[in-house]
Amino acid sequence: AQTVTQSQPEMSVQEAETVTLSCTYDTSESDYYLFWYKQPPSRQMILVIRQEAYKQQNATENRFSVNFQKAAKSFSLKISDSQLGDAAMYFCAYRSESGGSNYKLTFGKGTLLTVNP
Amino acid sequence: AAGVIQSPRHLIKEKRETATLKCYPIPRHDTVYWYQQGPGQDPQFLISFYEKMQSDKGSIPDRFSAQQFSDYHSELNMSSLELGDSALYFCASSLETTETQYFGPGTRLLVL
Repeated sequence: AQTVTQSQPEMSVQEAETVTLSCTYDTSESDYYLFWYKQPPSRQMILVIRQEAYKQQNATENRFSVNFQKAAKSFSLKISDSQLGDAAMYFCAYRSESGGSNYKLTFGKGTLLTVNP
Repeated sequence: AAGVIQSPRHLIKEKRETATLKCYPIPRHDTVYWYQQGPGQDPQFLISFYEKMQSDKGSIPDRFSAQQFSDYHSELNMSSLELGDSALYFCASSLETTETQYFGPGTRLLVL
């Protein structure tokens, strides 16, 4: 079974600065997807960014980018020019792409990000 | 853009009662997933449906059942509710099983 580990329960960053959230995962599969979801105080789950394992190029969405290291099974999220609205719980998630019906998301425990003005 | 709709948004029940949660996926999405998120926890997968057939099953109690209807909406039926069932229940939808899952706002269930 796949596992996702987020080793930083809490992180803080100053407004306008850059912060990196860590995520590692364990899998024996070669094809999979990785995601970062954001959960603000409203508790809505919002997709931030996704990465296909077969792509070597790191995904980027505006101020959000990832550092995907497949061999190291590492998938970190970098938030640049942090804004107050970025404050939230961030979940790293894994999804198999190896066929069959196992397309559920497996989440890490989350990292609570605080943005200081 | 249309999002996933869940109803009700909040639900309060007594122990041993029954609850029904509804999920309306994004238009044209044919796959629905249900997740349970307890207080301070990460979401846990319960069950999924693709084209009205159950496609995967996770840690869903036998007291719970679910189905997907012809219009692709899904319902999660929960019976003999226990205090431990108090949680946020998410529905997510995707276009086919291989696409990104988009989450609804969740249903907050409180069992007293």
